[in-house]
Amino acid sequence: GQNIDQPTEMTATEGAIVQINCTYQTSGFNGLFWYQQHAGEAPTFLSYNVLDGLEEKGRFSSFLSRSKGYSYLLLKELQMKDSASYLCAAVDSNYQLIWGAGTKLIIKP
Amino acid sequence: SAVISQKPSRDICQRGTSLTIQCQVDSQVTMMFWYRQQPGQSLTLIATANQGSEATYESGFVIDKFPISRPNLTFSTLTVSNMSPEDSSIYLCSVGPPLEQGSDGANVLTFGAGSRLTVL
Repeated sequence: GQNIDQPTEMTATEGAIVQINCTYQTSGFNGLFWYQQHAGEAPTFLSYNVLDGLEEKGRFSSFLSRSKGYSYLLLKELQMKDSASYLCAAVDSNYQLIWGAGTKLIIKP
Repeated sequence: SAVISQKPSRDICQRGTSLTIQCQVDSQVTMMFWYRQQPGQSLTLIATANQGSEATYESGFVIDKFPISRPNLTFSTLTVSNMSPEDSSIYLCSVGPPLEQGSDGANVLTFGAGSRLTVL
């Protein structure tokens, strides 16, 4: 079956760095998304990786290893507003999105 | 990306009634989807709303329970029929890139703010 695994919850300190991991098992692979979702709000797009390696966008970076079925989202210089859920979603061979349950990130002062 | 207006934002409904959720997009889009999100859980795709034809439902979801309309490229509705407390959830509309933008390869989804339904 198809499956996405990511930690349920993580806690980090303001100003620090946190890495949120995501492992996936899908029938075929056509890329991986990361979305951010603040409580009570819509998910918003953060990144899309289809090739191996690290893509950096300001304080946020996303990494993909297709051979390992693994991705991570790296958040630097954490701010209180980064407290949110982070959703990992892989695209399978039929271009269907397989969603993880999300990682709730709690930022402490 | 497209801007989505979804309503109602929340509602409290009685068991056995039906509620229709509307999704209005500010630009024409090909791809339009309806998701459900239970608290603390992943997004679950209910169906793909196809313009001018019947929606494509995912396993576990049927048209009689979740009828969907898609009369044009900017609007869709999802009805939750004969509601029970188990239908209490957040329902989200999402769309792919606007037609004038073209496919960006990634087909990034934009989500509406969601409709939080509570069924008593």
